[in-house]
Amino acid sequence: AQRVTQPEKLLSVFKGAPVELKCNYSYSGSPELFWYVQYSRQRLQLLLRHISRESIKGFTADLNKGETSFHLKKPFAQEEDSAMYYCALSGTYKYIFGTGTRLKVLA
Amino acid sequence: DAGVIQSPRHEVTEMGQEVTLRCKPISGHNSLFWYRQTMMRGLELLIYFNNNVPIDDSGMPEDRFSAKMPNASFSTLKIQPSEPRDSAVYFCASSFWGGGQGRSPLHFGNGTRLTVT
Repeated sequence: AQRVTQPEKLLSVFKGAPVELKCNYSYSGSPELFWYVQYSRQRLQLLLRHISRESIKGFTADLNKGETSFHLKKPFAQEEDSAMYYCALSGTYKYIFGTGTRLKVLA
Repeated sequence: DAGVIQSPRHEVTEMGQEVTLRCKPISGHNSLFWYRQTMMRGLELLIYFNNNVPIDDSGMPEDRFSAKMPNASFSTLKIQPSEPRDSAVYFCASSFWGGGQGRSPLHFGNGTRLTVT
């Protein structure tokens, strides 16, 4: 079965603390993995895709095929990082999204 | 590039009325997706089209919902009759699917916030 799992609904960290948002996937094939971010009452925006291996806004994510994970990390959280984060997998034709993790960065 | 354009941004209607949401995908994209987002259920895929053809509509909640894509630059999602439980934010998204060459990232519109009273 094709599935994306984000085990945490809410993650609260203090400003300056490290952040790790977890994402695990199940897919029979070679998936493409993405992270999307949604700020309050806005559209979902692409944050990262695993094939580009970029660092956006200080966030990075590494695809671990052995553990079928694509965790999102940032060494020092900022208050403006508070948002909803969705992990997504691109399969044949369609995207599969996780249920999202709300990140709250506390001052 | 104006991105994915959705209209209206907000829609308030009374139960029983017909609602039509509109979407213009990014030029050159051949896949279009309609999603519904609520606090309770999160982000749900309703239907997606590839080359204007509906590929999977298994996420459409019931027969009151219908979607069309008459050409590559326009799609509609219609609810008739609308009910209060349809209140949600409806997102349209598009991407390019190149078969074996893979897919471009999904680009979302700003959404339509629907309130049915």
